Amino acid sequence: QKEVEQNSGPLSVPEGAIASLNCTYSDRGSQSFFWYRQYSGKSPELIMSIYSNGDKEDGRFTAQLNKASQYVSLLIRDSQPSDSATYLCASSFTNAGKSTFGDGTTLTVKP
Amino acid sequence: DTAVSQTPKYLVTQMGNDKSIKCEQNLGHDTMYWYKQDSKKFLKIMFSYNNKELIINETVPNRFSPKSPDKAHLNLHINSLELGDSAVYFCASSHKGRTEKLFFGSGTQLSVL
Repeated sequence: QKEVEQNSGPLSVPEGAIASLNCTYSDRGSQSFFWYRQYSGKSPELIMSIYSNGDKEDGRFTAQLNKASQYVSLLIRDSQPSDSATYLCASSFTNAGKSTFGDGTTLTVKP
Repeated sequence: DTAVSQTPKYLVTQMGNDKSIKCEQNLGHDTMYWYKQDSKKFLKIMFSYNNKELIINETVPNRFSPKSPDKAHLNLHINSLELGDSAVYFCASSHKGRTEKLFFGSGTQLSVL
């Protein structure tokens, strides 16, 4: 079992829709969770971090964490073509010295 | 100013050669990393350094040797390159501690022929 698993996708949504990206993790000791966005040919860029159960909102992005279910999600409201990218879920625990990434989900937002 | 810069951006070389990738960060971070991203976009940690001290060596062949002359620099030297080493190598940095938020360099696309 992979430490961090994501829906491999690809995921395609129309412009203006809500895109929902999901991630599960196997290590119950994980404390910090991240979503990175990676455009084709570019480096990953952190867009959301979440540490506590519940929702965290930042603009059009909402991260959700459920530690009991070992589940993290990212919702993108009012999706735009510029949101088309690969989204990487990552987990880590304090002073681990590393983050563990999922395989990524490729999102395409169609105009 | 680029926060995490790595060079070169592209590296094309023959099997058996030795090559180096350099990385520098100007964010004042304590921790630097090398990650490898394969053709399927999977990002895997190779090494991490905290204040020049190696803290993670993730079962990487010893042909790969990181060197951190100071906490702002982390270089990666690869000996006897193999076809399977072809990938994108990302340098990253973070503040040590709970967040582990990573700031990535632009990547080095290594192609071994």
